Amino acid sequence: NAGVMQNPRHLVRRRGQEARLRCSPMKGHSHVYWYRQLPEEGLKFMVYLQKENIIDESGMPKERFSAEFPKEGPSILRIQQVVRGDSAAYFCASSLTGTGGQPQHFGDGTRLSIL
Amino acid sequence: SQQGEEDPQALSIQEGENATMNCSYKTSINNLQWYRQNSGRGLVHLILIRSNEREKHSGRLRVTLDTSKKSSSLLITASRAADTASYFCATDEENNDMRFGAGTRLTVKP
Repeated sequence: NAGVMQNPRHLVRRRGQEARLRCSPMKGHSHVYWYRQLPEEGLKFMVYLQKENIIDESGMPKERFSAEFPKEGPSILRIQQVVRGDSAAYFCASSLTGTGGQPQHFGDGTRLSIL
Repeated sequence: SQQGEEDPQALSIQEGENATMNCSYKTSINNLQWYRQNSGRGLVHLILIRSNEREKHSGRLRVTLDTSKKSSSLLITASRAADTASYFCATDEENNDMRFGAGTRLTVKP
């Protein structure tokens, strides 16, 4: 499967636990984007990463959230000490280049539920 | 911050009819893209229109862009039940990040 792969598809955590969401971009893509979607709403940009660098994290909360895209391996979105309000679908997308006018290719998301 | 805003929020039509969705945005853009999202799935890229283009076609899809009014429309002709999905416009910003609207939920009744 050459598409964007996200895992897990569903993740259940209790308040205070940590959530780790993984994203493997399309082969050859070095630009990764994370979005958050609440039911019946659009996608909210969180963070844009290129291999080993955070390019724009303006949409990511300053506390408890972090993202990385190491030289080897998938991109990780990490949420520490989760709260009920973190329940949402988190989507990852990748693109071939970071220049404008490039379509983004999306994974099917991780649905995070906080008990 | 959100950039594109779709209108209407929801649209219900009969199979065979045309569906028109609109998108308005606030700041200057280089490109505007339309995406489709089926329930429980990720977004799928449909079409990209650049700021110097006014109209673009892809199969049953027709997209227009009016930069003077900061608006775009997506027309789906001869709709099918399989077109039932949410449709989002996305605009790029100066740093090339994309911003999505809240979407139009299209229901095509067989």
